[in-house]
Amino acid sequence: GDSVTQMEGPVTLSEEAFLTINCTYTATGYPSLFWYVQYPGEGLQLLLKATKADDKGSNKGFEATYRKETTSFHLEKGSVQVSDSAVYFCALRGTGFQKLVFGTGTRLLVSP
Amino acid sequence: EAGVTQFPSHSVIEKGQTVTLRCDPISGHDNLYWYRRVMGKEIKFLLHFVKESKQDESGMPNNRFLAERTGGTYSTLKVQPAELEDSGVYFCASSPWAQGGNTIYFGEGSWLTVV
Repeated sequence: GDSVTQMEGPVTLSEEAFLTINCTYTATGYPSLFWYVQYPGEGLQLLLKATKADDKGSNKGFEATYRKETTSFHLEKGSVQVSDSAVYFCALRGTGFQKLVFGTGTRLLVSP
Repeated sequence: EAGVTQFPSHSVIEKGQTVTLRCDPISGHDNLYWYRRVMGKEIKFLLHFVKESKQDESGMPNNRFLAERTGGTYSTLKVQPAELEDSGVYFCASSPWAQGGNTIYFGEGSWLTVV
């Protein structure tokens, strides 16, 4: 079945550092790919998405490119802030009537 | 426009008791989903309603869990009797369409602790 693999955390960075959180997937067909974020004490929020190969999703300085050849959707940000500290979830959704399949989540801790 | 709302936000119950979680989806969203994250693991799908019908309940862990969506509006998820391993956060989500890249909107979750 479909699955998502994320790098294990926590990822600890200093403010203004470059962030990469790796995400790879296994799926049949052409899934849509998502990054969700959960800030401390809050619910899940959609951060960005891409629905077809080579699409780039972006939001709040974060970017991720749908790479079908490497089945990846890595999350990047050029300069992280303390307020970016959260748990980040990579997810996919297959074609048709499909549910979201999540990775295990990666906790990001950004220190001043 | 109101988002997906869940109640209660936090609940602490004893093993063997019953808890009922409620979810109000975004108005007009026919699709309603329940997910949960247990013990810091991945977020797992429980079930999917289209209006009042269960489209997919393949993620329901056992018969202690009962989900309903009478009238196709709000939904409830009942756990009876609760076990320790049921502790976690239960997310409800909704979307207007079920296909592909359509965004699924999540609530803030109901945090359940079974002691």
